[in-house]
Amino acid sequence: ETGVTQTPRHLVMGMTNKKSLKCEQHLGHNAMYWYKQSAKKPLELMFVYNFKEQTENNSVPSRFSPECPNSSHLFLHLHTLQPEDSALYLCASSPDPLRREKLFFGSGTQLSVL
Amino acid sequence: QQQVKQSPQSLIVQKGGISIINCAYENTAFDYFPWYQQFPGKGPALLIAIRPDVSEKKEGRFTISFNKSAKQFSLHIMDSQPGDSATYFCAATQETSGSRLTFGEGTQLTVNP
Repeated sequence: ETGVTQTPRHLVMGMTNKKSLKCEQHLGHNAMYWYKQSAKKPLELMFVYNFKEQTENNSVPSRFSPECPNSSHLFLHLHTLQPEDSALYLCASSPDPLRREKLFFGSGTQLSVL
Repeated sequence: QQQVKQSPQSLIVQKGGISIINCAYENTAFDYFPWYQQFPGKGPALLIAIRPDVSEKKEGRFTISFNKSAKQFSLHIMDSQPGDSATYFCAATQETSGSRLTFGEGTQLTVNP
């Protein structure tokens, strides 16, 4: 295991639902990330948190709302999603986002929006 | 200028053969080039990485070759095994971006027994 745990593993939701993705890291890292993985496309960085503070938002639509209550936990709150938001959402952590270091990824949440 | 182009999209190799995946970039400020390996149902995991001060880095059966003038780098998997079947992503970053990687599109490798 990588030390980064994501729940749930699979999620099916309607466009009017509200759901949340959870990520927890047990590595003592200070930085946490949300990535979106769609088939045949590069991994897209969505958000970066450093010491609980958001340091990057890559023009992500407001229907995705991140929350980082502490350095070990990261959430992605979802509401009024579109079918094109169906993808694998990956959480990652690293010791320091300002240094070129290894990212530790969770196994992801496979999201289907109907 | 932030893109990293990866090819091929998919690759089928016989057991024992050499798998080669190529990546090209435009941003000359990129100075750290990792490769990530992703098995089905798992997140990507760092496989090997190189900095542009060397032209090659080898770890076991995995080798990165780097051509700074051509702005290209490639992953070679020697003696490919069925257990190497996975999706491989190249990535790049620069000092001012830290761990915020720019990824390629991925290559799905299948190694037949």
